[in-house]
Amino acid sequence: KAGVTQTPRYLIKTRGQQVTLSCSPISGHRSVSWYQQTPGQGLQFLFEYFSETQRNKGNFPGRFSGRQFSNSRSEMNVSTLELGDSALYLCASSANGQFRGELFFGEGSRLTVL
Amino acid sequence: AQTVTQSQPEMSVQEAETVTLSCTYDTSESNYYLFWYKQPPSRQMILVIRQEAYKQQNATENRFSVNFQKAAKSFSLKISDSQLGDTAMYFCASEGAQKLVFGQGTRLTINP
Repeated sequence: KAGVTQTPRYLIKTRGQQVTLSCSPISGHRSVSWYQQTPGQGLQFLFEYFSETQRNKGNFPGRFSGRQFSNSRSEMNVSTLELGDSALYLCASSANGQFRGELFFGEGSRLTVL
Repeated sequence: AQTVTQSQPEMSVQEAETVTLSCTYDTSESNYYLFWYKQPPSRQMILVIRQEAYKQQNATENRFSVNFQKAAKSFSLKISDSQLGDTAMYFCASEGAQKLVFGQGTRLTINP
């Protein structure tokens, strides 16, 4: 079974631009979560989707948004990029939204904002 | 609010030694799960071990075991017979409200 796939793996943007990151969960998984990882703040929860509905959202500004499609694939968007948005963005999926089970992570999308 | 604290930013041991990584947490949930995740240099996070809070027995997975002290809100990870492949960042996490709250991580290096 294929794992969680994130694209692109690396990208460089400039301040003020916007970016869209994609995540394909493991086949059959309906829950997709996004986390931001930085050296200073560690891993911070962005949002979680289950069956196209956002169930939970972390403490990030409205510039950060996401969505989930009917095939469970998810995208997250960051608008008006700031230098502080440079981070590794991790996507994770779980089966049937049973969060008390295991989260399966992708390799991440490394965003650099110049 | 949930919090997870890992007090050891870095640790280093010799191959075959036993090492214990510390974690304390705080949660208002009555029933919750705790996790240790490993992030090797290739960056993909993988689950090492999981503990259900209502179970008194400590979880074990081969060379990995936990010491779960519910009253003290402590959840340490013990790695026995450490191997070079155990070199990674280790994150302690607690679960609640459809999200994981992670600690800051411990960078573990296994030396040959």
